[in-house]
Amino acid sequence: SQTIHQWPATLVQPVGSPLSLECTVEGTSNPNLYWYRQAAGRGLQLLFYSVGIGQISSEVPQNLSASRPQDRQFILSSKKLLLSDSGFYLCAWAGTSGGGWETQYFGAGTRLSVL
Amino acid sequence: SQQGEEDPQALSIQEGENATMNCSYKTSINNLQWYRQNSGRGLVHLILIRSNEREKHSGRLRVTLDTSKKSSSLLITASRAADTASYFCATSHNTDKLIFGTGTRLQVFP
Repeated sequence: SQTIHQWPATLVQPVGSPLSLECTVEGTSNPNLYWYRQAAGRGLQLLFYSVGIGQISSEVPQNLSASRPQDRQFILSSKKLLLSDSGFYLCAWAGTSGGGWETQYFGAGTRLSVL
Repeated sequence: SQQGEEDPQALSIQEGENATMNCSYKTSINNLQWYRQNSGRGLVHLILIRSNEREKHSGRLRVTLDTSKKSSSLLITASRAADTASYFCATSHNTDKLIFGTGTRLQVFP
């Protein structure tokens, strides 16, 4: 079976500090990987999308970047956090091992507070 | 930008009652999905309905899709306190990306 791990669950960081959130998927190969941000009480905003190692599509201009160093590893980073980067970050995967490319499976999320 | 808009934004019902939430979208789609999110957690896929389908069932869930009106509804029958969560619709059109709606917060009182 497939599992997705996302950590840490909670993170409090000062403004201007760096950020690294990691997401890994097990039990599948060559998944599509996604990073979303969710503001409080709102829907999900797609930040980055990857169809393979080193292939990253950025959906919105922002202070964040993403990398995919391995097939099942997706990393969200920032060199200097802003207050506006606070939010709930979710990683997701889709692929042939799940419900097909159309269905996404989500990690438990990371709540980031920038103070 | 978000394509889906859910209605109502919040819904409170008693256990045993049915809960209906609606989703409207703006452009043509290949399929529409519904996801559930418990507070502070990730989303869980509930059901997918394709653009050539009008109705789909899964357990206590019933989803309808009206492509002429660009709308969908999710019905949860005989609700339980454990159904308390936020529910999101998500659409896709010729891509592997989903566009999520703003969600309906459902509260089911025991």
